[in-house]
Amino acid sequence: GAGVSQSPSNKVTEKGKDVELRCDPISGHTALYWYRQSLGQGLEFLIYFQGNSAPDKSGLPSDRFSAERTGGSVSTLTIQRTQQEDSAVYLCASSFGTGSPLDSGNTIYFGEGSWLTVV
Amino acid sequence: AQSVTQLGSHVSVSEGALVLLRCNYSSSVPPYLFWYVQYPNQGLQLLLKYTTGATLVKGINGFEAEFKKSETSFHLTKPSAHMSDAAEYFCAVSRRGGGNKLTFGTGTQLKVEL
Repeated sequence: GAGVSQSPSNKVTEKGKDVELRCDPISGHTALYWYRQSLGQGLEFLIYFQGNSAPDKSGLPSDRFSAERTGGSVSTLTIQRTQQEDSAVYLCASSFGTGSPLDSGNTIYFGEGSWLTVV
Repeated sequence: AQSVTQLGSHVSVSEGALVLLRCNYSSSVPPYLFWYVQYPNQGLQLLLKYTTGATLVKGINGFEAEFKKSETSFHLTKPSAHMSDAAEYFCAVSRRGGGNKLTFGTGTQLKVEL
């Protein structure tokens, strides 16, 4: 398994329920990102973890959204009290290093996404 | 704040024809620039990126893009389209010194017809 792994691949949940989405980055990657892809909205940045630094949470749309990264590896994105507008594909990505694209090793690799449908 | 505009949410070309996907950015300083491709039911894959140096960048699958500062553009081209190029293409920028946080355009769906 050399790529970014996300689970579940598909999730249907009822409005008001909490959901957890999991991301397993590529081994050794210190940076981890969450993005959301909605119909007609394109890709939105949600949150960014880099090593032991405080995460950049500037893209989280509301306080119902939170994310953790345990042990510098696996990350969980939690959405509380889901709403229909939360329906989207949630993409996780990872990369090496400090995050400068000048370093050819800092290519960001994306997972296949978790498709969330709130009914 | 940075933003990316991709003109044309859908582009259709004939197989063998030139592919041109347009991308313009807005940023106070020239950012790093990227093109990603997303095939159906797959994650995003980096096609190419511009960081510094030569403004014409070559990527995978025969694609290339040219950074034009005066036009704030980074259009993606391929001389001859192939059926396998049908996918969604995203232009993205990241701020110099701002880590790898990407701001994406809304995407262009490329259709290749026989």
